[in-house]
Amino acid sequence: GQNIDQPTEMTATEGAIVQINCTYQTSGFNGLFWYQQHAGEAPTFLSYNVLDGLEEKGRFSSFLSRSKGYSYLLLKELQMKDSASYLCAVSDSNYQLIWGAGTKLIIKP
Amino acid sequence: DTAVSQTPKYLVTQMGNDKSIKCEQNLGHDTMYWYKQDSKKFLKIMFSYNNKELIINETVPNRFSPKSPDKAHLNLHINSLELGDSAVYFCASSQKDGLSGNTIYFGEGSWLTVV
Repeated sequence: GQNIDQPTEMTATEGAIVQINCTYQTSGFNGLFWYQQHAGEAPTFLSYNVLDGLEEKGRFSSFLSRSKGYSYLLLKELQMKDSASYLCAVSDSNYQLIWGAGTKLIIKP
Repeated sequence: DTAVSQTPKYLVTQMGNDKSIKCEQNLGHDTMYWYKQDSKKFLKIMFSYNNKELIINETVPNRFSPKSPDKAHLNLHINSLELGDSAVYFCASSQKDGLSGNTIYFGEGSWLTVV
């Protein structure tokens, strides 16, 4: 079956760095997405990786290793507004998104 | 300006009622979706339409019926509402391309509470 695994919850300190991991097993691979979802709001697109390596976008970076079925989202210089759920999703061979359950990130002052 | 818009945002209704949620996207995307997010925050796809044609129909009770009058609209009608239907329903759209894959853009969500 298809499966996306990510930690349920993580806690980090304002100003610090946090890495959220995602491992996947899917039928085919057409890219991996990270979305951010604040409480009571819709998920919003953060990043897309289809090739191995690191994609940097401001304070956020996303890494992909296709051979290991692994990705991480790296958040630097954490701010209180980064408190949210972070969803990992993989596009399978039919370009359908398989979603992880999300990682709730709690930022403490 | 809103790319994917859905109405109503909040809906409280009694068991047994029939209700509809409307969705429109102005991104020119070919594919539209309905997702359900329950209290555990897990996103589950319900339906997917591509150019008005149904391409994904997950295990959803037939009380849920999507309707796509054109590729910019995908409405969700729910008959005989049950308590377990209480959730957030997200409409979304996407366009497959080589640069961004199949990036999905979500509407603001419709919070349905069945009492």
